[in-house]
Amino acid sequence: QSALTQPASVSGSPGQSITISCTGTAGDVGGYNYVSWYQQHPGKAPKLMIYEVTNRPSGVSNRFSGSKSGNTASLTISGLQAEDESDYYCSSYTSSSTVVFGGGTKLTVL
Amino acid sequence: QLQLQESGPGLVKPSETLSLTCTVSGGSISSNIYYWGWIRQPPGKGLEWIGSIYYSGSTYYNPSLKSRVTISVDTSKNHFSLKLSAVTAADTAVYYCARRTSYGDLDYWGQGTLVTVSS
Repeated sequence: QSALTQPASVSGSPGQSITISCTGTAGDVGGYNYVSWYQQHPGKAPKLMIYEVTNRPSGVSNRFSGSKSGNTASLTISGLQAEDESDYYCSSYTSSSTVVFGGGTKLTVL
Repeated sequence: QLQLQESGPGLVKPSETLSLTCTVSGGSISSNIYYWGWIRQPPGKGLEWIGSIYYSGSTYYNPSLKSRVTISVDTSKNHFSLKLSAVTAADTAVYYCARRTSYGDLDYWGQGTLVTVSS
């Protein structure tokens, strides 16, 4: 299975909105509404931010939202804050009952 | 509150077998809703899904690692384990265990443990 494709980096100023894309295939992102997004701060374990494309776990800010169109899923962070600066990873369930991650995106808050 | 904790040697010699255990507390590993998985992250690189197991013993592996990976579960000890054989320096990584839902998302993670492959 090939890794999902994410931009290596994105940036934005405080208060702005940014979107991170995650492109797969019909065998993963396009075939299932089972895309997740994780936030990982340096030296820490990843934290689930979005599951099943659009759902937020309890305690995750509503500034984080997810969507999907075809084989590409997206994570949008609105009202950027300094604490949002982190690495973000997408993942998808696959037709082989496995999980595949994206390569990760480094978000810089300017 | 569910907690997961990885344990095992931090140093493994090349060609040997890496063995890690993930102990689950605050919940039962025998739940028929969840799977239990392993993920790794080489230093400075991204996440790689290794595989997962259901309490019944059904396993699902990353095809690129399948020939070297074995994941097992011990419901009596509420833990599950990872074995990765014939390791090389490329297997040096932080290894995480996590709880996986039926739909693939990983909602609880261990803190991770660094395993270095070196002679």
